[in-house]
Amino acid sequence: KQEVTQIPAALSVPEGENLVLNCSFTDSAIYNLQWFRQDPGKGLTSLLLIQSSQREQTSGRLNASLDKSSGRSTLYIAASQPGDSATYLCAVPTGANNLFFGTGTRLTVIP
Amino acid sequence: EAGVAQSPRYKIIEKRQSVAFWCNPISGHATLYWYQQILGQGPKLLIQFQNNGVVDDSQLPKDRFSAERLKGVDSTLKIQPAKLEDSAVYLCASSSGDTKLEAFFGQGTRLTVV
Repeated sequence: KQEVTQIPAALSVPEGENLVLNCSFTDSAIYNLQWFRQDPGKGLTSLLLIQSSQREQTSGRLNASLDKSSGRSTLYIAASQPGDSATYLCAVPTGANNLFFGTGTRLTVIP
Repeated sequence: EAGVAQSPRYKIIEKRQSVAFWCNPISGHATLYWYQQILGQGPKLLIQFQNNGVVDDSQLPKDRFSAERLKGVDSTLKIQPAKLEDSAVYLCASSSGDTKLEAFFGQGTRLTVV
């Protein structure tokens, strides 16, 4: 049974810092891994999707990496801004092609 | 391209009442999901549709929850009767079902049961 763990559960950093969010999963037989952002009281916004054949994906200040063999993914945020404050969730597809989510990392960027 | 639409955004009901949520997926997306997100937790799948057929409803509390997707487009999720522990955000998502398996989410409906 797939388990997805995100560490840390919460993170607070000063503006301008680079930071790394971690996601680990137990079943490495995944098609892809998707990172989402969730603002308080809002739905999920897709940030990056990494296919199983890829090692990383980049979008602006965000870079996500995937190491299937070790069951890990990282989301790197460069030059953090207060607007980056949100909860970040990673998710992997199950055998039935729905998403299994971690519990998220709540990020606060302090001005 | 319009995103996934959900309504209502917020709902407050008393326990034992019934409630219904509506979702309109991205046009052309064959796969539709309903997720429940309890405060402080990640979303948990309730039900997955492929067109108008159910693919996975193994985690749907069928004694009180029901969902349908008539004509393979819009979907409704109903709770009857509601319990206090049903207080959560209900998220609808859709996917084109291609090999990329990328899911897009609506804004969610925040349900409070008092």
